[in-house]
Amino acid sequence: DTGVSQDPRHKITKRGQNVTFRCDPISEHNRLYWYRQTLGQGPEFLTYFQNEAQLEKSRLLSDRFSAERPKGSFSTLEIQRTEQGDSAMYLCASSEGAGGETQYFGPGTRLLVL
Amino acid sequence: AQKITQTQPGMFVQEKEAVTLDCTYDTSDQSYGLFWYKQPSSGEMIFLIYQGSYDEQNATEGRYSLNFQKARKSANLVISASQLGDSAMYFCAMRLLYGNNRLAFGKGNQVVVIP
Repeated sequence: DTGVSQDPRHKITKRGQNVTFRCDPISEHNRLYWYRQTLGQGPEFLTYFQNEAQLEKSRLLSDRFSAERPKGSFSTLEIQRTEQGDSAMYLCASSEGAGGETQYFGPGTRLLVL
Repeated sequence: AQKITQTQPGMFVQEKEAVTLDCTYDTSDQSYGLFWYKQPSSGEMIFLIYQGSYDEQNATEGRYSLNFQKARKSANLVISASQLGDSAMYFCAMRLLYGNNRLAFGKGNQVVVIP
């Protein structure tokens, strides 16, 4: 059973460009989460999917951010018109359905906006 | 809203010794879960241990144990017999068992194991 995978692992972009990250959860996990972690802080919740439905969004998720999980499997997180303040580690996690409390994380995507 | 507090400064611990990492939390909800994750320099968050608010016994998982004191709202992690590979950031997190599904994390504790 493979773990959560994320692609790319690192991304450097110029301010104003769009970026897209992908997350593949553990197979059979119907819940998927995105978090953002800045230097010296713990991860902060961005959004959550159950199957293909996006059920929760944090206020941190501005209009420039959009996430999808079209077939209830992998998910993408897009940031439009990136800003330097978007530089962070973007972490994806997945968990089983009801009764599965633990979220298992992927290796993360480190974004640097120049 | 849930709040997790981890205030210890970075810690140096001798190999083979035990280390305790402090975590206090704040919630008005009665049903919640507490988690500890390890984050090495590579960045991945590795799940270590889970304690449910209704669990009567402290959770243990190999060298990891969770000292759960519900009345004091604390959930300290104890790592026994430290190894060099234990050097990492350690994060305490909480999730309500009903309602939202987000994990709320503390700021973490830095642990460096020295030989």
